[in-house]
Amino acid sequence: DTAVSQTPKYLVTQMGNDKSIKCEQNLGHDTMYWYKQDSKKFLKIMFSYNNKELIINETVPNRFSPKSPDKAHLNLHINSLELGDSAVYFCASSQDLVQETQYFGPGTRLLVL
Amino acid sequence: KQEVTQIPAALSVPEGENLVLNCSFTDSAIYNLQWFRQDPGKGLTSLLLIQSSQREQTSGRLNASLDKSSGRSTLYIAASQPGDSATYLCAVGPSNDYKLSFGAGTTVTVRA
Repeated sequence: DTAVSQTPKYLVTQMGNDKSIKCEQNLGHDTMYWYKQDSKKFLKIMFSYNNKELIINETVPNRFSPKSPDKAHLNLHINSLELGDSAVYFCASSQDLVQETQYFGPGTRLLVL
Repeated sequence: KQEVTQIPAALSVPEGENLVLNCSFTDSAIYNLQWFRQDPGKGLTSLLLIQSSQREQTSGRLNASLDKSSGRSTLYIAASQPGDSATYLCAVGPSNDYKLSFGAGTTVTVRA
């Protein structure tokens, strides 16, 4: 059984388009995260939701908007895509904030042309 | 702001040799420290989590130590195997907010 799943795995799109990435976890966790991994492999937190409430909102362009319809889902919508948005986006979940192990999804590889 | 450094950036060893991966962090006020493994094109897999009150954690051939006062953690992998080839990431959980800070990773190649 997949613990944290993301769709799509690959996303190739043109500049200016709007796209969404979906994430689902079946672990019963309260907290979910979005991370961005750039070409230098650095992982940076973007957002975190705990019980559907936004907890972490890092300094990312407001073109990025997370949405958590319920505790098991955290989607990421990106408006007006730019070349610099090309990266791998990882979703993760944990039982609670920070103190527990985070479980990561397989990543979504986004390429903006 | 927490900064996490991992040295070396890359490591190549013959099979059977022990691996020593280093992680240092600038702010010792942490909740925990986690070691992850990332295979090419894949997500992260948690290996070990050390709470701030602990000195080390062990799982099979893996042992991770934590010295909070000096801001260091070391991951030891005994008797390395080609299947251990991956990138190993260290992440620090702070005590004053909820953000994990990641190092850039050490890419390990174990030669058969």
